[in-house]
Amino acid sequence: GQNIDQPTEMTATEGAIVQINCTYQTSGFNGLFWYQQHAGEAPTFLSYNVLDGLEEKGRFSSFLSRSKGYSYLLLKELQMKDSASYLCAVKDSNYQLIWGAGTKLIIKP
Amino acid sequence: SQTIHQWPATLVQPVGSPLSLECTVEGTSNPNLYWYRQAAGRGLQLLFYSVGIGQISSEVPQNLSDSRPHDRQFILCSKKLLLSDSGFYLCAWSGQGLDTGELFFGEGSRLTVL
Repeated sequence: GQNIDQPTEMTATEGAIVQINCTYQTSGFNGLFWYQQHAGEAPTFLSYNVLDGLEEKGRFSSFLSRSKGYSYLLLKELQMKDSASYLCAVKDSNYQLIWGAGTKLIIKP
Repeated sequence: SQTIHQWPATLVQPVGSPLSLECTVEGTSNPNLYWYRQAAGRGLQLLFYSVGIGQISSEVPQNLSDSRPHDRQFILCSKKLLLSDSGFYLCAWSGQGLDTGELFFGEGSRLTVL
C-alpha cells in the first residue's frame, strides 16, 4: 500500500528553528508537496520538490531525498502565526496526490 | 487572477437528509477539479476528481455523488446523509498538463451530521 508518515504534533519556541520530517512509500514518484493549514481553514501551498536537494523560500526550506523516501520542511525564525498543521503529500505514478495526516506545530512564546 | 469559492461554509444536517455543496472557479478554463474530505487527525481523502466537463472519477464509492454541469462548476451531493459523512469538505482545482499540479483550495465546508 501507499503510506505517508509524519509526526502528529511538534512544539517549538518563537524565534527558533523546527524541522518537520516526512517519509513516504508510494507506487512511483512525481513530486512532493508541503502545505500549511491553519485551524478551520483550507490548506495553502508552501513548496514543491521533484529533484533531490534543498529548495529555499524565505524562512521556509524543503529538502528531498528520493532514494531514502524522505523529505523535511525547515522553518526558521519561528513566528506565532506559524502555528498550524503542515501536510506532506506525494504525487504517485498516476499523478494522484497521497496525503499524510499532517503535523500540528505549536509555537510557544 | 484565479479564484475558487465553495459554499456553504458550515452546515448541520440530520441523518437521512440530502446534501448539496457547490464550488466554482474563476479566472481559468478547463481546470482539473477535486473534492476532498478531511476527518479530524486524518489525511485528505480524495472523493472525486474531474478532468473535464462530465468526466467524473470516483475514488471512494459511497453514498455521495458528483456532477460537473459547467467547465468551472463542481457539485457534491448526497440523497441520504450518514453519520460518517461528517467532516471538512474541500474543493480544489489544478491546471491541466503535467506541471507541478499545485492544488488551490476553496474555503472549505464543515458538515456535521447528527
